[in-house]
Amino acid sequence: EAGVTQFPSHSVIEKGQTVTLRCDPISGHDNLYWYRRVMGKEIKFLLHFVKESKQDESGMPNNRFLAERTGGTYSTLKVQPAELEDSGVYFCASSQGLGPNYEQYFGPGTRLTVT
Amino acid sequence: SQQGEEDPQALSIQEGENATMNCSYKTSINNLQWYRQNSGRGLVHLILIRSNEREKHSGRLRVTLDTSKKSSSLLITASRAADTASYFCAGKVQGAQKLVFGQGTRLTINP
Repeated sequence: EAGVTQFPSHSVIEKGQTVTLRCDPISGHDNLYWYRRVMGKEIKFLLHFVKESKQDESGMPNNRFLAERTGGTYSTLKVQPAELEDSGVYFCASSQGLGPNYEQYFGPGTRLTVT
Repeated sequence: SQQGEEDPQALSIQEGENATMNCSYKTSINNLQWYRQNSGRGLVHLILIRSNEREKHSGRLRVTLDTSKKSSSLLITASRAADTASYFCAGKVQGAQKLVFGQGTRLTINP
């Protein structure tokens, strides 16, 4: 069974440009999460989808970030316009269900570098 | 901040020795999960312990959880060179689905 996949693995863009990250969760997982780790900091939650609905957006840093999950399958995270402080690793995770018994499985991450 | 802390930040031991990493967290949790990250790669799920459990084993891994102290420990027995990685604890926040991560422990196993 394929795990969580993310594309691209690495993106280098200039400040002010737009970047779109993609995440494909494990097949059958309704729950999809985005996290990020900026330089020197902890991994922090961004948002949570249940199918195509945003369940929790409390971690989204500002309105330059837009996440979508049309059709409830893969998800995209767009940063527009990108700023230098957006550099970091963006992780996607998925889980089969909610509650204390369910693990979140993470993808390999997308390393975003804004210059 | 809800973020947790891990101790030590870096640990270097000889192959065959046991490695213990500690994690403290600030918020109430439903479970606590440990992950491993090899250099430049993604997070690999190691083990999950629920808030009503005190200890759990999986192979060479032993995890404890003390909800009264809001702390957890991960013990890796008979360490191997392949265990060299960063290890993170992550608590699942009660009433939400998000994970709150510690800063991680960088473990180096010397052959």
